[in-house]
Amino acid sequence: GAVVSQHPSRVICKSGTSVKIECRSLDFQATTMFWYRQFPKQSLMLMATSNEGSKATYEQGVEKDKFLINHASLTLSTLTVTSAHPEDSSFYICSARTGMNEQFFGPGTRLTVL
Amino acid sequence: AQKVTQAQTEISVVEKEDVTLDCVYETRDTTYYLFWYKQPPSGELVFLIRRNSFDEQNEISGRYSWNFQKSTSSFNFTITASQVVDSAVYFCALSDRDSGYALNFGKGTSLLVTP
Repeated sequence: GAVVSQHPSRVICKSGTSVKIECRSLDFQATTMFWYRQFPKQSLMLMATSNEGSKATYEQGVEKDKFLINHASLTLSTLTVTSAHPEDSSFYICSARTGMNEQFFGPGTRLTVL
Repeated sequence: AQKVTQAQTEISVVEKEDVTLDCVYETRDTTYYLFWYKQPPSGELVFLIRRNSFDEQNEISGRYSWNFQKSTSSFNFTITASQVVDSAVYFCALSDRDSGYALNFGKGTSLLVTP
């Protein structure tokens, strides 16, 4: 199957700092990428849908000013957690959708905010 | 609105037992996709299967099999002769046009296989 990478795989930061997570589709173009968040012992919850060249669509309860999403090309979407706080500590995982409606997930980014 | 229910939170079996993980879904769309993923402790999602709503054929892949029943809106997953390496959290998920084809995950079933 197609490959989606995420960088970094793990990040520890201080409260109040911003963290950028990259999601790349390595061997296909993805007009749509999705960002999910998973708290410990819980399921994956959709945060936002990112379409290339347009503004992201956020799920209810997800602050768009806190979680900035940029999808500047067909192979790259970034999620920036601004002014991170300990409650933002979570596992963030992206997926990229192909034209055939398949979805491929990245390996995830574990964010710890001290 | 769409919904995925995995009623079994945790299952514990002894190696070589067969185990079935249940998944019941709700959707208004006539075209939808169902998925199963495995999530080991490392966190990375391992894709197991995707099924579209027009394909009700059951699938077998090695020790894994899936039973898709539209009449009961269920997509159950059976592991035959379970092994310790099967221990993980398993997620059932649904995507449809209503969701923009984002995946809506069930709460997951934690499977523990002991020797």
